[in-house]
Parts: sequence; structure tokens; C-alpha cells
Amino acid sequence: AQKVTQAQTEISVVEKEDVTLDCVYETRDTTYYLFWYKQPPSGELVFLIRRNSFDEQNEISGRYSWNFQKSTSSFNFTITASQVVDSAVYFCALSEAYGSGNTGKLIFGQGTTLQVKP
Amino acid sequence: EADIYQTPRYLVIGTGKKITLECSQTMGHDKMYWYQQDPGMELHLIHYSYGVNSTEKGDLSSESTVSRIRTEHFPLTLESARPSHTSQYLCASTQMGQGTEAFFGQGTRLTVV
Repeated sequence: AQKVTQAQTEISVVEKEDVTLDCVYETRDTTYYLFWYKQPPSGELVFLIRRNSFDEQNEISGRYSWNFQKSTSSFNFTITASQVVDSAVYFCALSEAYGSGNTGKLIFGQGTTLQVKP
Repeated sequence: EADIYQTPRYLVIGTGKKITLECSQTMGHDKMYWYQQDPGMELHLIHYSYGVNSTEKGDLSSESTVSRIRTEHFPLTLESARPSHTSQYLCASTQMGQGTEAFFGQGTRLTVV
């Protein structure tokens, strides 16, 4: 069965601190995709990154970086030098290529609320 | 910036009323989805569509129904709203192909009193 777990419900940091959001997933598919989305107070989900199961290369985009490790089924997200504007709910999600019949549906984790205080 | 729109943004309605939540996208995407977001934040798929005249139920059972008469339009209807339907409803679309990212609307926050 597919499952995504974000064990951290809420994280509170002070501006300029580094913060890591954890994501652990379960799937039987050998081909799958992992995503991170940000949900600001306005409500829409904003796409941050996609990783396919064959690409374990870590990625950095500005202050954001992602660490994908198949051996531990984890896809963690780090924000370096956090800012108040980073305050939001962050979701990790899984999409299977074949197990879901290639519907493209997303299986979401429970979300982590990040609060960055000035 | 995503071109997917949901109306209304907020809706408070009485029990037993029929409601339709609108979702439109201008990106020409074939796949569209409705997710329900609980107060505790987790999102669950309730409906999806591969294209015109295609609709399927998602993982979470829902009393709502959907239609897909035009590529760009994917409305969700509740024939008789109940307080248990109070939730946030998010519409999304993706291009065809595996692992393509989903674009989301801003959501409709529905309250049934």
C-alpha cells in the first residue's frame, strides 16, 4: 500500500535558522515520483519539486535543498536561513506510475506546519 | 503561475441545499482532480478525470458528483449539503504523462450549517 508520513506536525524556528522537514514513504512500485508542495495561508498548493525514483541526486534551489534516499525511503526538505515568508504548511506527496494505474493521483502526507518567527 | 481557478472561495450554506463548486483551467490539461482537505490538513482524492466524459471516484468516498463536459471545466456538485461536508475542496490538473506536477486552484472552503 502507498503511504506518506510526515512525522513533524508543527515546527517553530527563529528567522535565519536552518530547518529540515522529514518525509518517509511506502510504495510497492519501482517507478514513482515524489513531490513537495507549499500551502501558504491563501490556500493553494504551490509546487516546489519533483523527483523520480531513478534519480537519487540531491537538488539545491536557492535556500531550498532536498535529500532523496531510496535506502531509507525518505525525501527530506531543508530550508537554509529560514525567513518569515517561509511560514506555511508543507506537504510531501507520492505518485505511482503503475500501482495507481497512472492516474497521476497524489498521496499526501499529513503536512508539516512551519512557523518562522522574526 | 498556475491558470486554474475555483469559485467560490468561501461558501456558507444551509443543510439540504444543492451546491456546485466550480473549477476551470486554461492550460489544456486532460487530467483533473478534486481533493478534500480535512481540518487536520491531510488531503484525499475524491474524484478524477482523464478527459472529456471521463470521471472516476477517488480513494475517499464522497457523496459529491462531478462532470467533465469540456476539457477546461470540472465542476463538483453536492445534491443535498450536510454539516459533514464542511471542508476545503481543492481542484487540480496535470498534463498527460507520468509524474507530471499538479497545478492547484486556491480552493473552496465550504461550511454547511
